[in-house]
Amino acid sequence: DIQMTQSPSSLSASVGDRVTISCRASQSMSSYLNWYQQKPGKAPKLLIYAASTLHNGVPSRFSASGSGTDFTLTISSLQPEDFATYSCQQTYSAPFTFGGGTRVQIK
Amino acid sequence: QVQLQGSGPGLVKPSETLSLSCAVSGGSISGYYYNWIRQTPGKGLEWVGYVYHSGGTNYNPSLKSRVTISVDTSKNQFSLKMNSVTAADTAVYYCARGGRTLFGLIYFDYWGPGMLVTVSS
Repeated sequence: DIQMTQSPSSLSASVGDRVTISCRASQSMSSYLNWYQQKPGKAPKLLIYAASTLHNGVPSRFSASGSGTDFTLTISSLQPEDFATYSCQQTYSAPFTFGGGTRVQIK
Repeated sequence: QVQLQGSGPGLVKPSETLSLSCAVSGGSISGYYYNWIRQTPGKGLEWVGYVYHSGGTNYNPSLKSRVTISVDTSKNQFSLKMNSVTAADTAVYYCARGGRTLFGLIYFDYWGPGMLVTVSS
């Protein structure tokens, strides 16, 4: 199985801050990487697929990059509705696996 | 707007079979992968498996011996059956649609709201 490791596991930030979340895969997986946002009690929502493609309707303050084993999600200017948990997911090979999540909290 | 809505019992006894369904509305069921994912505080998000609209399946090897995922295109729904459940199967279960890019990457673009299933006597 491909192991996905996210860092940090949590962070505190203020509205307007630039936030960067990292995701590392245990083996190279090209760009087969997705990012999701999840709020408490809700299902995850797709933000980014194929490492850098913004899903329909996702604000442009979200961006992502990477390939191989190292990937990054960036929120350019954190908004109040962005406080949530962010998870990466690989679909390069089954079983599809998720990172442990990064909780973005209000400072 | 595509919507997924799961249904099924919230309480299952140990050693029995967990059965969940997910209804898909607002779009064609064809051409997509239909997934089950579960989430626990301890293990996070865990992919259970998928069924393609034509019936092909792919399961997480850790669960494969106990899981069956099927699709009923006439009813626009898909289902999960997991047998011999234990307390470790207690989780929030999500159904999700999987789209696919031209180069084969699958992404989960629509999710159901999640169902808490507790395994307890």
